[in-house]
Amino acid sequence: KNQVEQSPQSLIILEGKNCTLQCNYTVSPFSNLRWYKQDTGRGPVSLTIMTFSENTKSNGRYTATLDADTKQSSLHITASQLSDSASYICVVSAYTGGFKTIFGAGTRLFVKA
Amino acid sequence: EPEVTQTPSHQVTQMGQEVILRCVPISNHLYFYWYRQILGQKVEFLVSFYNNEISEKSEIFDDQFSVERPDGSNFTLKIRSTKLEDSAMYFCASSGGPAGKFSDEQFFGPGTRLTVL
Repeated sequence: KNQVEQSPQSLIILEGKNCTLQCNYTVSPFSNLRWYKQDTGRGPVSLTIMTFSENTKSNGRYTATLDADTKQSSLHITASQLSDSASYICVVSAYTGGFKTIFGAGTRLFVKA
Repeated sequence: EPEVTQTPSHQVTQMGQEVILRCVPISNHLYFYWYRQILGQKVEFLVSFYNNEISEKSEIFDDQFSVERPDGSNFTLKIRSTKLEDSAMYFCASSGGPAGKFSDEQFFGPGTRLTVL
């Protein structure tokens, strides 16, 4: 069954600190993996996208990694800011005749001053 | 910067009533989607639409749901007879190509919060 599991469920960090969010998936055949940021009450906004052959992708203070062998991805946030407080969602796409996108439940990040 | 827009931002309705949620996708996009997110839960795929027909739908998207692209700019989701469990945030999204294809990023709208009483 195609699944995307994220951990931790929630995380509290102090402003300026780094953090790493995890995503494990059992999606096949794998097409790509995206990380989204979702502010409360808003639609998800894309941060990074990686295909099978890519193992790292950066977008400013956000760096995503992908290990296609172990089916794991991480999102590292450097020097966190209060505005980073949001849900971070891992989304994996599979191609099974048509594209299917499977959303993780997200990690709720709280950045405190 | 082009964006997906949705109206209304909040819709309150009585159980059993019909609602229509509206979306204006990015103008040169060809693929359109509806998702829902029940409060505190994950985003769930409802339906994808391409070339004036449904290309995929989930088991959530039953006979109570329908989608339409009535003109060149709007994309609507209709719920015929709302139930309490339809209360959720509904997101519209669009992409230039099929979602999941590497080069075709999905852009999400801000959502419509549907409350069924």
